[in-house]
Amino acid sequence: GAGVSQSPSNKVTEKGKDVELRCDPISGHTALYWYRQSLGQGLEFLIYFQGNSAPDKSGLPSDRFSAERTGGSVSTLTIQRTQQEDSAVYLCASSRPGLSYEQYFGPGTRLTVT
Amino acid sequence: GESVGLHLPTLSVQEGDNSIINCAYSNSASDYFIWYKQESGKGPQFIIDIRSNMDKRQGQRVTVLLNKTVKHLSLQIAATQPGDSAVYFCAENTGTASKLTFGTGTRLQVTL
Repeated sequence: GAGVSQSPSNKVTEKGKDVELRCDPISGHTALYWYRQSLGQGLEFLIYFQGNSAPDKSGLPSDRFSAERTGGSVSTLTIQRTQQEDSAVYLCASSRPGLSYEQYFGPGTRLTVT
Repeated sequence: GESVGLHLPTLSVQEGDNSIINCAYSNSASDYFIWYKQESGKGPQFIIDIRSNMDKRQGQRVTVLLNKTVKHLSLQIAATQPGDSAVYFCAENTGTASKLTFGTGTRLQVTL
């Protein structure tokens, strides 16, 4: 079946502009995660959605970052007033009910802030 | 703070040999460990996991070993193939949420 999809695959934006990154999880997966991966680094947790529960936003680096998940499926990560340090690959993952540790990742969105 | 790290940033292995990728973790409360493989331009792919009440788990050509005494995790790949070339991350989970803490990764290079 289809895996996790993300769009766009690449995004170049000017400093100060807002960007929206989209994630379509695997159908039936109740949990959705956003991570950030800087060049040559590991993955940094950003935010986690589980069903209808309040999201865990503890990893968001600043109030310029926000995310929402509509209808328990598609999620959008928004970065306002982008800065050069926001440049990274943003990865989305989803997992099945009861198997939250086995996360399936999308290909990521490479964000470049000029 | 708590962290997960890897000893070697790059590992070069000849095709057909066995590979061992190591990972150290610092949080003794971690109860679940996972290895991911990330090929260039792709998201991480789940390889194998192990719970803290186990010390060994085997998959297809891969074995994960957990030594809680020294807080060490390793991934062994048997008969390494060119398709195994990638960056390998260990990750740990602690607590109630399912968020993972990832290490910085080890690049595995398979030479012919």
